[in-house]
Amino acid sequence: NAGVTQTPKFQVLKTGQSMTLQCAQDMNHNSMYWYRQDPGMGLRLIYYSASEGTTDKGEVPNGYNVSRLNKREFSLRLESAAPSQTSVYFCASTRGPSKGYEQYFGPGTRLTVT
Amino acid sequence: GQQVMQIPQYQHVQEGEDFTTYCNSSTTLSNIQWYKQRPGGHPVFLIQLVKSGEVKKQKRLTFQFGEAKKNSSLHITATQTTDVGTYFCAGYDNDMRFGAGTRLTVKP
Repeated sequence: NAGVTQTPKFQVLKTGQSMTLQCAQDMNHNSMYWYRQDPGMGLRLIYYSASEGTTDKGEVPNGYNVSRLNKREFSLRLESAAPSQTSVYFCASTRGPSKGYEQYFGPGTRLTVT
Repeated sequence: GQQVMQIPQYQHVQEGEDFTTYCNSSTTLSNIQWYKQRPGGHPVFLIQLVKSGEVKKQKRLTFQFGEAKKNSSLHITATQTTDVGTYFCAGYDNDMRFGAGTRLTVKP
């Protein structure tokens, strides 16, 4: 099993450009999450999906959209990138429907917006 | 809303010394989880604590959950260079909040 995979690993965007970060899990998990990690601020939840077909905002959703394409895949889209979105983005999944379960993280996408 | 504070932010130790990181929540938690992130890596789940006063051990790592279920600690005995990384707590109370992490460096 690959666990949680993310593409791309690295990305550089210019302000105003758009892009989609892809995430997939092969553990048959119900819930999936997108986090951003900034120095000194830990992990902050952007969006999550408790099950296929549902998505909910997390702590910092502004400037992002998500799509739960199917049970395996959860994508994060930046419509108009801003320098404040420079960060490391992690996708995660959990077996159960709530955020209180053990989270499995992908390797991350390091995004720089210039 | 729920907040999780973690201290210290950084800790530098000599190999063989002990290390402790502390986590405090503004609300009573249903559970608390601990994760380790190696430099350049992703967070990896270490353990989950659920019961008031719970203590769990993993080799040289000891995890405690406070009686009031609002604080927790991770203690590493006799650190090794393989312990280097950032340790995060994550408190769950209908919502999951991660602490800012404690970055541990170990001098051989």
